[in-house]
Amino acid sequence: DAKTTQPTSMDCAEGRAANLPCNHSTISGNEYVYWYRQIHSQGPQYIIHGLKNNETNEMASLIITEDRKSSTLILPHATLRDTAVYYCIVRDSGYSTLTFGKGTMLLVSP
Amino acid sequence: DVKVTQSSRYLVKRTGEKVFLECVQDMDHENMFWYRQDPGLGLRLIYFSYDVKMKEKGDIPEGYSVSREKKERFSLILESASTNQTSMYLCASGQQPQHFGDGTRLSIL
Repeated sequence: DAKTTQPTSMDCAEGRAANLPCNHSTISGNEYVYWYRQIHSQGPQYIIHGLKNNETNEMASLIITEDRKSSTLILPHATLRDTAVYYCIVRDSGYSTLTFGKGTMLLVSP
Repeated sequence: DVKVTQSSRYLVKRTGEKVFLECVQDMDHENMFWYRQDPGLGLRLIYFSYDVKMKEKGDIPEGYSVSREKKERFSLILESASTNQTSMYLCASGQQPQHFGDGTRLSIL
């Protein structure tokens, strides 16, 4: 699996955009970028994934650089309920298992 | 919405007991997974299953076994519980993405 690097923690003001970076410089051509988050005392929750193109859904946007060596998860209007650990995972879609790293602890403050 | 239900949120057992953790999913997924999560170590895969009666070892299978008699249900078994198995246990189902239950916080005394 391609290894990912994320900041340990980030802060964001409520209502502002939260931009969470992830480096995956060893990603291979058939590997997707997946984002999950884990709110305290809950199981991880899938957010979004992408291969090459930018993706958007009701929760977030995913921006992948052209060389695919890094990506950014964007929460456009962060709320207090977005406080969580965010995990960036790179995986071939043909594999079912996931390897979770340490993730980024995002703290959204009033 | 996909629902993955774990039978207990909190469980306290004694050393040497046989412990069963149950997980049920309602989306007819073939793949199901058991992870444990510990502070500083993140999520680690214990076992997974691709189909009924099929099982594969994950990264830390020692001390655990699993059972998949029906597609919707995947059970994790601690044959003889030990204190180092005190942890948060998370079940998931699906291919990509995976959908997780809310976890069982298991304490072994």
